[in-house]
Amino acid sequence: RKEVEQDPGPFNVPEGATVAFNCTYSNSASQSFFWYRQDCRKEPKLLMSVYSSGNEDGRFTAQLNRASQYISLLIRDSKLSDSATYLCVVRGVGSSNTGKLIFGQGTTLQVKP
Amino acid sequence: DAMVIQNPRYQVTQFGKPVTLSCSQTLNHNVMYWYQQKSSQAPKLLFHYYDKDFNNEADTPDNFQSRRPNTSFCFLDIRSPGLGDAAMYLCATSRGQGTLPQHFGDGTRLSIL
Repeated sequence: RKEVEQDPGPFNVPEGATVAFNCTYSNSASQSFFWYRQDCRKEPKLLMSVYSSGNEDGRFTAQLNRASQYISLLIRDSKLSDSATYLCVVRGVGSSNTGKLIFGQGTTLQVKP
Repeated sequence: DAMVIQNPRYQVTQFGKPVTLSCSQTLNHNVMYWYQQKSSQAPKLLFHYYDKDFNNEADTPDNFQSRRPNTSFCFLDIRSPGLGDAAMYLCATSRGQGTLPQHFGDGTRLSIL
């Protein structure tokens, strides 16, 4: 089982739609979670950290469910410019993993006019 | 304005010919990471430096080496590149190994002829 799992998609949605991505992680001791965005052939860029109580940044909402070990990202009112791959990222724990970012495969979003 | 700078952006080398990729940072972060990302795959951590301490991932091939002569610079050396080493190589930094996210450079796309 992969440490961080995401549905690769692609998710094809019209402009203005609301879309949600989920991600599951295998290590229940994990403490830090992030969503990164990666445009085609570019580097990952931090979109937002994910806090236990959930957090919002404009049209983006991230939530964490520790009991079920999943993280979600909700994008409201999708824009064409939101088209990208969204990487779910968990910071490793344990002596061999401390500090290491563990990436999901990414979920590709295509927003159509 | 860029804080993590990778050079070059694109690198072409011949099969078996050693190549060095460079990364510099202006953030004064303790930790520098090298990731390999192949097409449609998650970034895969190769190794990282915490200050001068080198931490190699268990599955990183011996072909890949790294040097960190000072806080600002870190190099990735590929001693004998094979066709399977063609990928995007991403450098990232973070302050400590705690809960803070990592900042990525633009990446170097390596092609092998």
